[in-house]
Amino acid sequence: GEKVEQHQSTLSVREGDSAVINCTYTDTASSYFPWYKQEAGKSLHFVIDIRSNVDRKQSQRLTVLLDKKAKRFSLHITATQPEDSAIYFCAAIQSSGSWQLIFGSGTQLTVMP
Amino acid sequence: EAAVTQSPRSKVAVTGGKVTLSCHQTNNHDYMYWYRQDTGHGLRLIHYSYVADSTEKGDIPDGYKASRPSQENFSLILELASLSQTAVYFCASSSTSGDANSDYTFGSGTRLLVI
Repeated sequence: GEKVEQHQSTLSVREGDSAVINCTYTDTASSYFPWYKQEAGKSLHFVIDIRSNVDRKQSQRLTVLLDKKAKRFSLHITATQPEDSAIYFCAAIQSSGSWQLIFGSGTQLTVMP
Repeated sequence: EAAVTQSPRSKVAVTGGKVTLSCHQTNNHDYMYWYRQDTGHGLRLIHYSYVADSTEKGDIPDGYKASRPSQENFSLILELASLSQTAVYFCASSSTSGDANSDYTFGSGTRLLVI
C-alpha cells in the first residue's frame, strides 16, 4: 500500500521568510495530495491540495508543487507569520481498497518573531 | 454547520476496562474513519466504514472494534484497554471514495489515557 514520508520533523524560520515542507510517496497511482494544519491541542484542518493532473497550485501564501516522476510533493509558505506555527501533515489518497488518506508523520513549523 | 463531533473530549481508563469512543457527523457523508495519533507517527487508520451496519479494518485494527449503527454515528470500542492504546483518537468523515476528497472533515479528537 501507499506510504507517505515527511522528511522534516521540525522546521524553524524567521517571520517573513519562506518555509518549505517536503513529502514523498510510493504509489504511482495516487492522484490526490492534501495538506492539513494542526495547531497545538487542536484538530486537523485542510489547508490546500493538489491533484495529479497539475504540477502546481497556489492559494494566497501557500503553493503546492507536485513532481510525479520523483513521487514528491511540497508545501511552500511565503511571508511566514507567527500564526503559521503548527504541525503540517501531508497526505495521499490510497488508490486501492479503502481510498483512505495516508498521512505523513508531520512537520512542526515554528515561525520565530 | 456541518460537523464531526466526538465524545468524550478526554478520558482516563483503567487497563483491562472497556472504552467506547463516539463520533457523530452532520455532513451527510457516506465514509467515516477512526484514526489514532501518536507523536512522530502522524495519523494511522484503525477502522473505517462506507455504509451503515458495515465496518472495515484499517492499518492498525488489532485491539479495536468499530460499530456504524447509522450513517451519522460511528463508534470505536476498546474491549480490553491497554497502556499502548494511550493516544489521541480522531474521527473523520468524507463524501465519496476515489479522487478529490477535499471534504474530509475531522472531529476535535479524544485524548485517551490508559492507566
